[in-house]
Amino acid sequence: GEDVEQSLFLSVREGDSSVINCTYTDSSSTYLYWYKQEPGAGLQLLTYIFSNMDMKQDQRLTVLLNKKDKHLSLRIADTQTGDSAIYFCAERGDQGGKLIFGQGTELSVKP
Amino acid sequence: DAGVTQSPTHLIKTRGQQVTLRCSPKSGHDTVSWYQQALGQGPQFIFQYYEEEERQRGNFPDRFSGHQFPNYSSELNVNALLLGDSALYLCASSLDRTSGRARDTQYFGPGTRLTVL
Repeated sequence: GEDVEQSLFLSVREGDSSVINCTYTDSSSTYLYWYKQEPGAGLQLLTYIFSNMDMKQDQRLTVLLNKKDKHLSLRIADTQTGDSAIYFCAERGDQGGKLIFGQGTELSVKP
Repeated sequence: DAGVTQSPTHLIKTRGQQVTLRCSPKSGHDTVSWYQQALGQGPQFIFQYYEEEERQRGNFPDRFSGHQFPNYSSELNVNALLLGDSALYLCASSLDRTSGRARDTQYFGPGTRLTVL
């Protein structure tokens, strides 16, 4: 089956690192994505990782993939108040273009 | 380079009415996907259009239909609106996956907020 799960809330202090976790069930997933959504807005693509990779780093963002456990994480270094938003993990299987999204993790950054 | 655009921004309808939402893909993209995002939920896939045909469909009733035009823009139509259709409707565009796997990454528009009363 297809299912993506995320914890709903995360609160950190400005300057700390944030780690948002995601688990997925579709073993045929080829790409996994992280999107950011600010209030009243659409989804902004942050980064993605191909399923044959373990890690990808892009400036303040680090994505870790444990394919055996079907676990994906997004680490944001030096978290800023502007990082406050809802973060969605999504998987794309090899059967087509549809993305399966988690419920989203609301990140709150306190000054 | 224009990103994905959607119109209208907001829409209010009553139960039983019909609605049409519009999407223009990012320049150079040829594939359009539609998603429904209910309040507090992640987006749910409705369908995807490529070469003016519905290529893949999610678990949505036939009341949801779509169209893609030769210029790659797309419409989402919903008939016989229900209160439960109230949501943010998101359009995403991408370049067909046969053009190169990484290039079918989906980029989203700002969405259309539909309220059904």
